Amino acid sequence: DAKTTQPPSMDCAEGRAANLPCNHSTISGNEYVYWYRQIHSQGPQYIIHGLKNNETNEMASLIITEDRKSSTLILPHATLRDTAVYYCIVRPTHNDYKLSFGAGTTVTVRA
Amino acid sequence: GAGVSQTPSNKVTEKGKYVELRCDPISGHTALYWYRQSLGQGPEFLIYFQGTGAADDSGLPNDRFFAVRPEGSVSTLKIQRTERGDSAVYLCASSLTQGVYNEQFFGPGTRLTVL
Repeated sequence: DAKTTQPPSMDCAEGRAANLPCNHSTISGNEYVYWYRQIHSQGPQYIIHGLKNNETNEMASLIITEDRKSSTLILPHATLRDTAVYYCIVRPTHNDYKLSFGAGTTVTVRA
Repeated sequence: GAGVSQTPSNKVTEKGKYVELRCDPISGHTALYWYRQSLGQGPEFLIYFQGTGAADDSGLPNDRFFAVRPEGSVSTLKIQRTERGDSAVYLCASSLTQGVYNEQFFGPGTRLTVL
């Protein structure tokens, strides 16, 4: 019952912006889009979340389309330490303690 | 400050044995979660505690798995009669309280290998 679709892998050049797409065409009006990442041998780390407006924090920017059926996580200046698996998660507010991870996108930042 | 810690970091056991995995959440966090991550997959929810009580254990795969949090802080995940299919990384997370506005902080996980 995957609610999001992400490419399995992508490469990015160090210092360039990394744009990670996510499709969530069945998202409902009260569901949030969350992004986590998991660096090798570590637990997942929260990055950012949004409902319908674009969001930015010190780690990344989240762009959500107007119809909310897809989103893009932007890492503005990728570094080698950004190499990780990135998970896009749709999180319902009524059942909001479970994080349902898919397979994610393995992002490799190359020097 | 200290993050979520899990012990041991690695556990190797034999099929049929009993194991306990420990999670120390961030101080003051009332919500605690266990997830399991098989190789090449994302984490899967197992159980959620709010305080001392298990508010949702729907992710536990069967009755060989049990978790406790007797004082509302440290939690222990217990697996009886381990099977080779139980081999995975067991992740613990905590949050200040439950809710979509409360970020879950994850520990590094315990890698369980059942021979």
